[in-house]
Amino acid sequence: QKEVEQDPGPLSVPEGAIVSLNCTYSNSAFQYFMWYRQYSRKGPELLMYTYSSGNKEDGRFTAQVDKSSKYISLFIRDSQPSDSATYLCAMSAEFAGNQFYFGTGTSLTVIP
Amino acid sequence: GAVVSQHPSRVICKSGTSVKIECRSLDFQATTMFWYRQFPKQSLMLMATSNEGSKATYEQGVEKDKFLINHASLTLSTLTVTSAHPEDSSFYICSASLSGGIYNEQFFGPGTRLTVL
Repeated sequence: QKEVEQDPGPLSVPEGAIVSLNCTYSNSAFQYFMWYRQYSRKGPELLMYTYSSGNKEDGRFTAQVDKSSKYISLFIRDSQPSDSATYLCAMSAEFAGNQFYFGTGTSLTVIP
Repeated sequence: GAVVSQHPSRVICKSGTSVKIECRSLDFQATTMFWYRQFPKQSLMLMATSNEGSKATYEQGVEKDKFLINHASLTLSTLTVTSAHPEDSSFYICSASLSGGIYNEQFFGPGTRLTVL
C-alpha cells in the first residue's frame, strides 16, 4: 500500500465550478499536509500548508484535514482556466525528517 | 523570497554521455536539498537527500554510482547522470529545505528535462 493515495484524474470542470481534490494516507503519524500546484513542465509551487487537523482558507482555496479518517481535501471555488494544472498533495512528519511523501497528482482542466 | 533555480532547464544528449544538473538556492541557505525525478503524468519520486558537506542518502533502487550528487555549499547541489541512457530520460526536479521552519518547507526548482537519444 502506498503511503499517500491520490486519484490521478483527469478532472475536467467548467469555469466557475467548485473543485474538490482529495488524498488519503495510511500513516497516522503524518502531521504536516501540503498542496502543490504544478503547471506543465514546471516545478511544483506550494499552495496551501496545514498542520494537524482542521481547515485553512486562502482566497479561493480551502484545505481540509481530517486526521481521524486520514483524508485531506483541497477545494477551489470559482475555478478559473488558469487553475488548470496538476495538483499534488504531500505530507510529512517529524519521524520523516525533511522527507515529503507525495501523492501521484490530479490533473485538472478548467474549461472556459 | 525562497527561490530555487536549476540549470540547465533542458538538455538533450547522446547515449553514454554524462550530464550535470545544478540546483541553487538563490536567496537562502539550504541545509538539505532533495532530488526528484518525474515521469509523464506521474508523481515526484524522491531519488536522494543531500546535506551540505556530507554524502547523499539515496532511496532504495536508485543507483548511487549512476546518479552522483554533490552538495558542496549551502546554496548549491549538483546531480550528475553518468553514462546516460534513453531510460534516464525524465524530468529532474530539485528542492531546497529552509531549516528552522516549522516543517522544513521545501522550495522546488523549475525542473530540468533530460532527453537521452
